[in-house]
Amino acid sequence: GESVGLHLPTLSVQEGDNSIINCAYSNSASDYFIWYKQESGKGPQFIIDIRSNMDKRQGQRVTVLLNKTVKHLSLQIAATQPGDSAVYFCAENKETSGSRLTFGEGTQLTVNP
Amino acid sequence: KAGVTQTPRYLIKTRGQQVTLSCSPISGHRSVSWYQQTPGQGLQFLFEYFSETQRNKGNFPGRFSGRQFSNSRSEMNVSTLELGDSALYLCASSLGWTSRSYEQYFGPGTRLTVT
Repeated sequence: GESVGLHLPTLSVQEGDNSIINCAYSNSASDYFIWYKQESGKGPQFIIDIRSNMDKRQGQRVTVLLNKTVKHLSLQIAATQPGDSAVYFCAENKETSGSRLTFGEGTQLTVNP
Repeated sequence: KAGVTQTPRYLIKTRGQQVTLSCSPISGHRSVSWYQQTPGQGLQFLFEYFSETQRNKGNFPGRFSGRQFSNSRSEMNVSTLELGDSALYLCASSLGWTSRSYEQYFGPGTRLTVT
């Protein structure tokens, strides 16, 4: 079936640097794309979302970019902090599917002090 | 506001047994979804319940079932356990009736080990 996938399983950055986590998706019919963060021992936590008719959305220290031409989604984290260390998942949702999310494989972000 | 709670947090069962996991959503949330998380398959959708009705179902065998009660609390059941059912089972809740139903709040999960 169709799924949302990430390019890199791991990413290591220095504290204070900007991080970019990428995701490739295949279902062009999705209405929303969402980023979740999962810390060790916890469930995923909603970070930010973007509707399929948008190209960019900014939150607090995070920006999500959507390129529908190449079916690519990215999460940019500014001034990465040790507390940002976690696994990041992209996910997709279709409004007709209720709350159902299709998750990508995840990227482990490690922030070095 | 209290978050999503799941019980038990850890569980060890043997093959062939059955297990019931419980989830209490955030107050006011009417949608509860279940996901299975494994290192090999990642996060996979099991099913979603909204107002006591199964609204969506993933691609899992019939051994996996669930239900939702009138207070929105949900249970999932796995019968005839197999070794491959060992996983972290996550419950997520959302309002369920808005266009932002994808904004889900996850519980800490139940770690099921099948021996």
